[in-house]
Amino acid sequence: DQQVKQNSPSLSVQEGRISILNCDYTNSMFDYFLWYKKYPAEGPTFLISISSIKDKNEDGRFTVFLNKSAKHLSLHIVPSQPGDSAVYFCAAATDSWGKLQFGAGTQVVVTP
Amino acid sequence: ETGVTQTPRHLVMGMTNKKSLKCEQHLGHNAMYWYKQSAKKPLELMFVYSLEERVENNSVPSRFSPECPNSSHLFLHLHTLQPEDSALYLCASSQEPYPQRGQETQYFGPGTRLLVL
Repeated sequence: DQQVKQNSPSLSVQEGRISILNCDYTNSMFDYFLWYKKYPAEGPTFLISISSIKDKNEDGRFTVFLNKSAKHLSLHIVPSQPGDSAVYFCAAATDSWGKLQFGAGTQVVVTP
Repeated sequence: ETGVTQTPRHLVMGMTNKKSLKCEQHLGHNAMYWYKQSAKKPLELMFVYSLEERVENNSVPSRFSPECPNSSHLFLHLHTLQPEDSALYLCASSQEPYPQRGQETQYFGPGTRLLVL
């Protein structure tokens, strides 16, 4: 049973606009969440994370929001750039150990 | 060379073949992982090694056999695979397998694209 879900397989956004990627989870024991970015022919690379004690974490153009009551997190990229075109994976972990549960990914395409 | 490297990058094998995937990390990490990514599916954790000892085996069929001779190297030995085993196999490493705030991040290699005929 998939505990982390990314229901949008793809997203197209214009350069300069905001990209919003969504992720839902079912396990209330998750207390740490991460976003990874993956280019073709490369492994996923860590982008940004958030602990369950926070509801927002910002790093440059990337902001992750966490809504624990809704079991929902989102990644905002603003402004979007062509180099942001990639697959974005949401992942979650419990405090017991670092077993990450991944979503299926969202393909983002940023058009000029 | 830095980061996590994997060889080969692409592999085609028959169902009766025996092959091995290799992963090497140059980050001084203590934990290493094998993941499987099938098309349009989430990454699935297969094995976790901490300081060369296996700490997790995620109900993986015995035709996949991991080996961790030291903390920098991880192998996945493949034997009598099935066509449904065709996937991208990713290796990752992290400082520790157990979460310590700020050290949960896993660093991934580029993967081996495996096709079983």
